[in-house]
Amino acid sequence: EVQLVESGGGLVQPGGSLRLSCAASGFTFTTYWIHWVRQAPGQGLVWVAHIFSDGNTAYADSVKGRFTISRDNAKNTVYLQMNSLRAEDTAVYYCVRDRPHWEWGQGTLVTVSS
Amino acid sequence: QSALTQPASVSGSPGQSITISCTGSSSDVGGYDYVSWFQQHPSKAPKVVISDVTKRPSGVSYRFSGSRSGNTASLTISGLQAEDEAHYYCISYTSSGTWVFGGGTKLTVL
Repeated sequence: EVQLVESGGGLVQPGGSLRLSCAASGFTFTTYWIHWVRQAPGQGLVWVAHIFSDGNTAYADSVKGRFTISRDNAKNTVYLQMNSLRAEDTAVYYCVRDRPHWEWGQGTLVTVSS
Repeated sequence: QSALTQPASVSGSPGQSITISCTGSSSDVGGYDYVSWFQQHPSKAPKVVISDVTKRPSGVSYRFSGSRSGNTASLTISGLQAEDEAHYYCISYTSSGTWVFGGGTKLTVL
């Protein structure tokens, strides 16, 4: 069974940092892109970033230069380092396995507030 | 990276068919066979219903189908059921090597 389990969310002040983790299991981790997708309260889905096993990455313009996605293939884990956080980064962050399966984790809530 | 355009809401009666559109450009929807659709019920994680424009993943009802014409992809749900009431989102790969979602469509089953 494919599982994606996010962790690391919480309350952080504006300008602060947070690192999210996504532990994957049940599939061959190195053959899939892994995405981070976020959803602000009551809003739609927004693609944030993705990474392949060779380290190839891409980011949405809204987070470029502030967020860094990385992965540890030995631990089947993907990370999202979030720096210079803003109130508008408040959202549930989902870890997602790439097409065609598009399996989602349960999400982790990040709240940026003073 | 502008969001793909979806209608904010659609509705239909049980048993009817509805179609949700997802409009982009030749740099995303019209340029790649990487358009997928997700269903999201309140307080739940999204679930894929169509992948790669027309492919229905294992376990997804045959009532869900996908298509594309030019720069517009469409999701059709036939034989509407109460359980289909949810938000639906499209996503497409883009020429920038990124992905972009549509704004989402709320489906109401009357």
